[in-house]
Amino acid sequence: GAGVSQSPSNKVTEKGKDVELRCDPISGHTALYWYRQSLGQGLEFLIYFQGNSAPDKSGLPSDRFSAERTGGSVSTLTIQRTQQEDSAVYLCASSSGQKFYEQYFGPGTRLTVT
Amino acid sequence: GQSLEQPSEVTAVEGAIVQINCTYQTSGFYGLSWYQQHDGGAPTFLSYNALDGLEETGRFSSFLSRSDSYGYLLLQELQMKDSASYFCAVRDTKGFQKLVFGTGTRLLVSP
Repeated sequence: GAGVSQSPSNKVTEKGKDVELRCDPISGHTALYWYRQSLGQGLEFLIYFQGNSAPDKSGLPSDRFSAERTGGSVSTLTIQRTQQEDSAVYLCASSSGQKFYEQYFGPGTRLTVT
Repeated sequence: GQSLEQPSEVTAVEGAIVQINCTYQTSGFYGLSWYQQHDGGAPTFLSYNALDGLEETGRFSSFLSRSDSYGYLLLQELQMKDSASYFCAVRDTKGFQKLVFGTGTRLLVSP
């Protein structure tokens, strides 16, 4: 079946602009996660959805970051007034039921803020 | 809080065996996961240990000792394609069904 997809794969934007990143999880997966990864670094947790609710938003770096999930499926991560330090690869993952430990990752969106 | 420690880098030659260690500090332990990530790629799930002992999947095995808060990933018959970063992860202690990842170990396999 289809895996996790993300769009766009690459995004170059000017400082101060808003960007939207999209994630399509595996069908039927109730949990969805957003991570950020800078070059050569580990995975930085941003936000987690269970269904359409976000029980844990603790990783969002600032109020410029927000995310939503609709229909228990597609999720959008929005970054307002982008800054150069927002440049990173944004990864989305999903998992099913109780198997939180087995996450399936999308290919990521590489965001470059100039 | 939670913390996971992994070596930053490990080097080995083709055909060898390598062990990547992970020590963790967490309350409410629910198991240890391992992920592989090639440069430019997305992380992929390798294994999960909920109980003590060794789990084998082909050339890869994962071990857990809950009493020692320690686990490792064992890669046998190393191939060049095994060059990647490897992350261990534990469940977040706040009760949410999400993972906290270690900082990763970069494995370099040489001919």
